[in-house]
Amino acid sequence: DAGITQSPRHKVTETGTPVTLRCHQTENHRYMYWYRQDPGHGLRLIHYSYGVKDTDKGEVSDGYSVSRSKTEDFLLTLESATSSQTSVYFCAISEQGSTGELFFGEGSRLTVL
Amino acid sequence: QQQVKQSPQSLIVQKGGIPIINCAYENTAFDYFPWYQQFPGKGPALLIAIRPDVSEKKEGRFTISFNKSAKQFSLHIMDSQPGDSATYFCAARGGSYIPTFGRGTSLIVHP
Repeated sequence: DAGITQSPRHKVTETGTPVTLRCHQTENHRYMYWYRQDPGHGLRLIHYSYGVKDTDKGEVSDGYSVSRSKTEDFLLTLESATSSQTSVYFCAISEQGSTGELFFGEGSRLTVL
Repeated sequence: QQQVKQSPQSLIVQKGGIPIINCAYENTAFDYFPWYQQFPGKGPALLIAIRPDVSEKKEGRFTISFNKSAKQFSLHIMDSQPGDSATYFCAARGGSYIPTFGRGTSLIVHP
């Protein structure tokens, strides 16, 4: 299994509070991604990174920010959590190549009350 | 706008049946079509993938059929087993390294 660790795995928080999810990889892959998974919507890309300090927005980036100060860590921050951000968040990594296979972490379940 | 349309949303079959999951795309720049399998409580994992220069690819009991002119591809699971019960995502990738995912199909295989 690819070395991807997400933390925390479960979190319950209140509306309006900031939340940070962490993704840590030991594979030295260049690309890292944050997705959210919701019933009926599948996997939707929030933000991604193509190198240290190089990030870009995905299709559902509003209300989220990211940072990547080291190759191995990609942080997702909800600046002021809302109930619509209750979801399961997945980190993924890949190396650019002929396949660019994504390797996913095990997910972080966030509940915003 | 949904770039990869996946159907059905859910599927129930008996053991030994052949579930078929279909995906359609619009962007002709897509050149790599992977399928991911996700078990409850886990992240998705690559199952099988195909490029548009072939019409079919088999890996064990899993087969992808690809119709380039119709811009459609499908996953067939031969002799399905209860252990195949999972959510399946099709995806498509083009010049960028970021795949576009379908919305997923929840498959249940009854014993």
